[in-house]
Amino acid sequence: ILNVEQSPQSLHVQEGDSTNFTCSFPSSNFYALHWYRWETAKSPEALFVMTLNGDEKKKGRISATLNTKEGYSYLYIKGSQPEDSATYLCARNTGNQFYFGTGTSLTVIP
Amino acid sequence: EADIYQTPRYLVIGTGKKITLECSQTMGHDKMYWYQQDPGMELHLIHYSYGVNSTEKGDLSSESTVSRIRTEHFPLTLESARPSHTSQYLCASSESVAGGYNEQFFGPGTRLTVL
Repeated sequence: ILNVEQSPQSLHVQEGDSTNFTCSFPSSNFYALHWYRWETAKSPEALFVMTLNGDEKKKGRISATLNTKEGYSYLYIKGSQPEDSATYLCARNTGNQFYFGTGTSLTVIP
Repeated sequence: EADIYQTPRYLVIGTGKKITLECSQTMGHDKMYWYQQDPGMELHLIHYSYGVNSTEKGDLSSESTVSRIRTEHFPLTLESARPSHTSQYLCASSESVAGGYNEQFFGPGTRLTVL
């Protein structure tokens, strides 16, 4: 993998459903992996910074895992709520620059 | 909440005009960045600065220029706007912390349309 790839590109879930999406990145020269949440007309907001293989981070109903050896991270949302609707970006931090994926657009249907 | 501001939020302008997109942060961060995002595409770094009088070009080639005369201010200028410059431009800043992970704080973006 040369670039940061996120999947799916978009998804719609019912309120109360749990969901997850994937960020894949080059495993070489890994420094850190960042997750952002970006609501329409607002600034991207940092969710997690992950640095160590096997890292798991949690904030409320949102959690993330990291596998640096195989180059992927999962973001999980438990019991999705309409306010979770946003684009979720991941970014590979090489220490000097950030390389972003195209994001996963989540819509939670009430 | 991050204190980083961008103006204008939306700009529609004709071809050939000179424009400056403003970005200011009140956090005293040394590092500042400009990203460009076309619809459905990734954020791409076009310029960055590690401090006053420091500017570098990012991976994505851009006809824009930047300046960093003050720590808090990192404006981006297009001397002659063209329709190909139509895009969203996001500014970000981060601290320089030894061993830190350069957590970036973003502004709300400027959505530029060149007719």
